[in-house]
Amino acid sequence: EIVLTQSPGTLSLSPGERATLSCRASQSVSRSYLAWYQQKPGEAPRLLIYGASSRATGIPDRFSGSGSETDFTLTINRLEPEDFAVYYCQQYGGSPTFGGGTKVEIK
Amino acid sequence: EVQVLESGGGLVQPGGSLRLSCAASGFTFYSYAMTWVRQAPGKGLEWVSVISGSGAGTFYADSVKGRFTISRDNSKNTLYLQMNSLRAEDTAVYYCAKNAVFGVLITYFDYWGQGALVTVSS
Repeated sequence: EIVLTQSPGTLSLSPGERATLSCRASQSVSRSYLAWYQQKPGEAPRLLIYGASSRATGIPDRFSGSGSETDFTLTINRLEPEDFAVYYCQQYGGSPTFGGGTKVEIK
Repeated sequence: EVQVLESGGGLVQPGGSLRLSCAASGFTFYSYAMTWVRQAPGKGLEWVSVISGSGAGTFYADSVKGRFTISRDNSKNTLYLQMNSLRAEDTAVYYCAKNAVFGVLITYFDYWGQGALVTVSS
């Protein structure tokens, strides 16, 4: 099983700042089969990024993904008030697993 | 518009059984694998099970193997999760999710339901 470790656990930022979230895999994720999701309290996860760097339909271009093999990053440029949420990475190169999440909170 | 809607959650005693349903619409249901993902209270996401579009292929997380059974009725556009021998650690919100890639069993998820809460407690 591929274990995904997300860091930091919590990120305290102000609107307008840039958020950089990390997702590290215990072994190489084949074909960069990595996705990112956003989840707000009481809501279902929402797909943001797939294939490590492809934005899902309707996702603003302030969200971007990068990385390969074992190190992946989600960057949110110019945080908007609606971006404060928990973010999860998920790999699908093998039996699917999720990271533990990073909470982006208002500073 | 794609929609997936879970039902069937509730309170059940340890050792008991429960069946979740997920009604889907807005896409060709039989063409896509479907997945269950759960989230324990205050915790992260855990993949539970997946079923192929035809229903012939299924996979389970080790934590539920032998206790949970995933199935689907393509004539009703409905996904199911039969949960037996429930334990306290199965307490979670269970999400039904549509696999994003046509015909692919293991992939990411582009549409999620609102979730069904299952509480296992005496």
